[in-house]
Amino acid sequence: QLAVTQSPSASASLGASVKLTCTLSSGHSRYAIAWHQQQPEKGPRFLMKVNSDGSHIKGDGIPARFSGSSSGAERYLIISSLQSEDEAAYYCQTWGTAFQGVFGGGTKLTVL
Amino acid sequence: EVQLLESGGDLVQPGGSLRLSCAASGFTFSTYDMSWVRQAPGKGLEWVSAISGSGGSAYYGDSVKGRFTISRDNSKNTLYLQMSDLRAEDTAVYYCAKDWAAGTYFDYWGQGTLVTVSS
Repeated sequence: QLAVTQSPSASASLGASVKLTCTLSSGHSRYAIAWHQQQPEKGPRFLMKVNSDGSHIKGDGIPARFSGSSSGAERYLIISSLQSEDEAAYYCQTWGTAFQGVFGGGTKLTVL
Repeated sequence: EVQLLESGGDLVQPGGSLRLSCAASGFTFSTYDMSWVRQAPGKGLEWVSAISGSGGSAYYGDSVKGRFTISRDNSKNTLYLQMSDLRAEDTAVYYCAKDWAAGTYFDYWGQGTLVTVSS
C-alpha cells in the first residue's frame, strides 16, 4: 500500500542547514512527492514537488534556500541558512492512481 | 494571485449536518480538480475528498464515504463540502486545496475553517 513516512521532529541552529526525509513505501520508490510547510496557526503552503531523479519544481515565491533531492525511496527537503520563520511542520505528500492524497505524519522543525 | 477562502465551519452536535464553502479566485476554476483536506487538533493532514474540474467525478476517503458529498458551482467559482451524520472524530480544521493536476499534489491551500462536533 502506498504510504510515506517522516520523522516526527528535527532541529537545527539558526543560519545552519537541515535535511528532512520522506520515505516511500516498498514498491513505490519511483513516485514523486510534494513538500508542504505549515507554520503555527496557519494553513499549509506548497513548497515543491520532488521527482525520483531529484529534480524539483518549486511553488510560487519559495526562496532559493529551499531545495529538494532524492535517493532511492527517500525524498529530501533541504533548507539552508535557517531562519526563525522556518520553524514549522513539514508534510510530504504523494499520490497514486486512486485520486487519494497520501500524507506523511509531518516533521516538526525547531530552529534553535 | 490564487486565493482560496473557506467558510461555514461551526459547532454542531453529533449526528448533525453542515455545509462548507470555498470561494476561489485568481485562476480558471473550472479547469482544475479541487480537494478538501482536514486536520484534527494537534494532528497531521488527512485527505478527505476530491472533485474533477467539471464536477462529473468525485472521490472520497474511507472515513467519510457515504456521509460527505463534494460538489462545485463553476459559475460561482465555489467548492462545497456537505457533511452529514457528523461524529466527534470529524472535528478538524477543513482546508480546500487546488490540485496541480488531477489526482496529484496540492499547489494552493486556503486558510481553513474549523468544524467542531460536540454535544
